[in-house]
Formats: sequence, C-alpha cells, structure tokens
Amino acid sequence: DAKTTQPTSMDCAEGRAANLPCNHSTISGNEYVYWYRQIHSQGPQYIIHGLKNNETNEMASLIITEDRKSSTLILPHATLRDTAVYYCIVRVETPGIKAAGNKLTFGGGTRVLVKP
Amino acid sequence: EAGVTQFPSHSVIEKGQTVTLRCDPISGHDNLYWYRRVMGKEIKFLLHFVKESKQDESGMPNNRFLAERTGGTYSTLKVQPAELEDSGVYFCASSQEPGLGEQYFGPGTRLTVT
Repeated sequence: DAKTTQPTSMDCAEGRAANLPCNHSTISGNEYVYWYRQIHSQGPQYIIHGLKNNETNEMASLIITEDRKSSTLILPHATLRDTAVYYCIVRVETPGIKAAGNKLTFGGGTRVLVKP
Repeated sequence: EAGVTQFPSHSVIEKGQTVTLRCDPISGHDNLYWYRRVMGKEIKFLLHFVKESKQDESGMPNNRFLAERTGGTYSTLKVQPAELEDSGVYFCASSQEPGLGEQYFGPGTRLTVT
C-alpha cells in the first residue's frame, strides 16, 4: 500500500470547518483513499473513502485532487466530540477472498484538537 | 445491530503468564481482523480470518501468539508466554467483504504485562 503523509497535529475552532490534508504521491490507480479516526480510548472508526471523485456522507466530505496525489478530509462543523486522531490510509480495493488489500495500514495520523 | 465486542476490556498479567483475548464480530461478518498498538507505536495489522480460515497472518509477531476462530464466529487471541513488549491495546475488527468497504472496530483490550 502507498505511504501517506499527514501533519502531526492541528487545532480547530468549534463550529468551524476542519480541513485535514493528506499526501499520497505514490498512490496507484487501484488504490482507494480511506479515512478513519480514533477517539481516545475507543477503537478506530470509519469515516469515508473514495477513489477519484469527491465524496460526502453524514460525517464528512473527501476531496481528492485530480492527480490523486493528495486529498483533504473536511469536517464541516467541528464539535468537541470530533477531537481525535485522524488517519488517512490508501488501500488496494478488489473484491473477493483473495484480495490483496484486506488489511489497513495505519500511519501516525493527525491529532486534531477542537477547541471551544 | 450490536457492534464488535471484545473481552476483557483490560487485562493485567505478569511476564510469563498466558492471556486469552476474545472478539465477537458483527453477526454475519465472515471477515475478522486483529490489530494492535504497542506503546508509542502505530496500529499494526496482525491477521485476517475469513470464516474459520486464516487468510493472512503476516503481521503475527512470533509463535507466542495464537489466533483461532473455531466455527467461524468469535475469535480468540492467545499470548503464551506473555512478554513485557506485548503490552498495548489489541483491536478486533470485522467486515462483510474482505477487500471492500469499511472495517468495524471493537473498543479494544488493553493488555498490561508486568
């Protein structure tokens, strides 16, 4: 799986949008970009994923650049409960039991602190 | 729908003892994964079950670790004998599809070896 680079930490004001960048310059054509987060003392939680188109769900938006070498996770209205470590993961995604991309490879992530 | 559950939530054992961690995946999820985060390090993949079969055990650190999933339902991870460097948080995750979509994680078991 391709390596990702994220800032170590960032602060965000409550109620404002949080924009979390991720570089994945060596991403391959069949690798998806996944975002997970880990709130203190909990297991990692899936947020969103995408291949090349921008994606949005109830939690966040994912913006992937046209060359796919970087992406941004957007939390539209950050709350105190969004304080967590956010992980950007690239992963081969092919269906079937023999799939190569089953495991998730976590890096250091970005520690996001949402302040009142 | 119940999520992934893990037992115990915390275990403290002495070096040389044996500990068994249990994971109950989401009902109907054939795919079960074990990960761990040891102190100061990143979360690392340990192994992947498809039903009762080990699909990928490339992340298992050594032969002191034994994972089983008899019957393809819950899984256990035994550490025998435990060493100090085994201390950390052990996470279990499950998914419907092996190579697609999200993995659902449990809350983890915090293992402390003294």
